[in-house]
Amino acid sequence: EIVLTQSPGTLSLSPGERATLSCRASQSVSSNYLAWYQQKPGQPPRLLIYGASSRATGIPDRFSGSGSGTDFTLTISRLEPEDFAVYYCQHYGSSLWTFGQGTKVEI
Amino acid sequence: EVQLVESGGGLVQPGGSLRLSCAASGFTFSSHSMNWVRLAPGKGLDWVSYISGGSSTIDYADSVKGRFAISRDNAKNSLYLQMNSLRDEDTAVYYCARVSRLPGNYGMDVWGQGTTVTVSS
Repeated sequence: EIVLTQSPGTLSLSPGERATLSCRASQSVSSNYLAWYQQKPGQPPRLLIYGASSRATGIPDRFSGSGSGTDFTLTISRLEPEDFAVYYCQHYGSSLWTFGQGTKVEI
Repeated sequence: EVQLVESGGGLVQPGGSLRLSCAASGFTFSSHSMNWVRLAPGKGLDWVSYISGGSSTIDYADSVKGRFAISRDNAKNSLYLQMNSLRDEDTAVYYCARVSRLPGNYGMDVWGQGTTVTVSS
């Protein structure tokens, strides 16, 4: 079973700053099966990145994903006020789905 | 408009049962695999169950295996989650989510607003 560990747990930043979020897998995974989501309070999650580095439809280009093997990164180049939220990485494998525990990006 | 709408949540006693429904519209429901995902108070997202478009493949998280059952009715564009032997730790907002069919995209690209399940005596 793949375990995803996200760090840091909380990231305190200001609008305009760069955010770098980490997701580490317990064993090597295919980049094809790594996604990132954003969730705000009271709202469902929103798919940001799939295949480790491809932006989902309608996602601004300030969001980017990278990585391979066991280490993956979500970068927000310049934080906008609406980007303060919780971010999750997720892995899919053989009809099993796993989420990381989340990183909260706060002001 | 592509949409998923959950229903069926509520307050139930430990050991009780509940059936969640998810009504899909705006897309070819039978072509998409679907998931149930939950968010417990103060916790992170937790995958619950998966079903393929034709129901040939079904899987569950270990925490719900043997207690929950996922199903779908493609003629009614509906997804279900039968939850039995409910425990306090099943208290959460339950979301249905569509698995993308775009090449190389194994993410969940459409989500419902969620339905709240509270297990308490």
